Amino acid sequence: DADVTQTPRNRITKTGKRIMLECSQTKGHDRMYWYRQDPGLGLQLIYYSFDVKDINKGEISDGYSVSRQAQAKFSLSLESAIPNQTALYFCATSEPRVRGYTFGSGTRLTVV
Amino acid sequence: LAKTTQPISMDSYEGQEVNITCSHNNIATNDYITWYQQFPSQGPRFIIQGYKTKVTNEVASLFIPADRKSSTLSLPRVSLSDTAVYYCLVGDTGNTPLVFGKGTRLSVIA
Repeated sequence: DADVTQTPRNRITKTGKRIMLECSQTKGHDRMYWYRQDPGLGLQLIYYSFDVKDINKGEISDGYSVSRQAQAKFSLSLESAIPNQTALYFCATSEPRVRGYTFGSGTRLTVV
Repeated sequence: LAKTTQPISMDSYEGQEVNITCSHNNIATNDYITWYQQFPSQGPRFIIQGYKTKVTNEVASLFIPADRKSSTLSLPRVSLSDTAVYYCLVGDTGNTPLVFGKGTRLSVIA
């Protein structure tokens, strides 16, 4: 089983719909992140959490919200999806004082 | 956060050594240099990290000069499977999340 699991792997949704992307990890890391990647571009940070009670906005948090349900689970929600949120979404985890992140396989989201 | 600059793309033939240089003129004392590899439709994968001088692992070497204003990722004898995007990141080991640039797209040709 993967250390960082994202569900679903692919999703097509309609404009205006609420959608949740889920991430779970078995690495026991406190820190979790959500990144977004548009074609041909690098990753942009949406939200991050350093522990269950901690939530922080990243570079592009508008239109998104998150929930840290447990140490192992970090969900990303699009309250009202719009087409320019079509992208590849990655969840990642890390430990303090270690710069190596472990990424999930990604969720490809298409908003039509 | 220290900004990094790296070439947008590079081409190489199989079996050659590839060196990708990253400049980070504003690197801070507490910052480490980390490189990631990303294949299409996959999440980035940690390759190597260093603070100064040279670091080597089973995948790559990382060369960092004394002034730390640049670093070079060296991939020995690349194969077609090394075709990927390579990201150079600079940051401390504390409370600042990683910021990814556009990376260097390496294409390995047979």
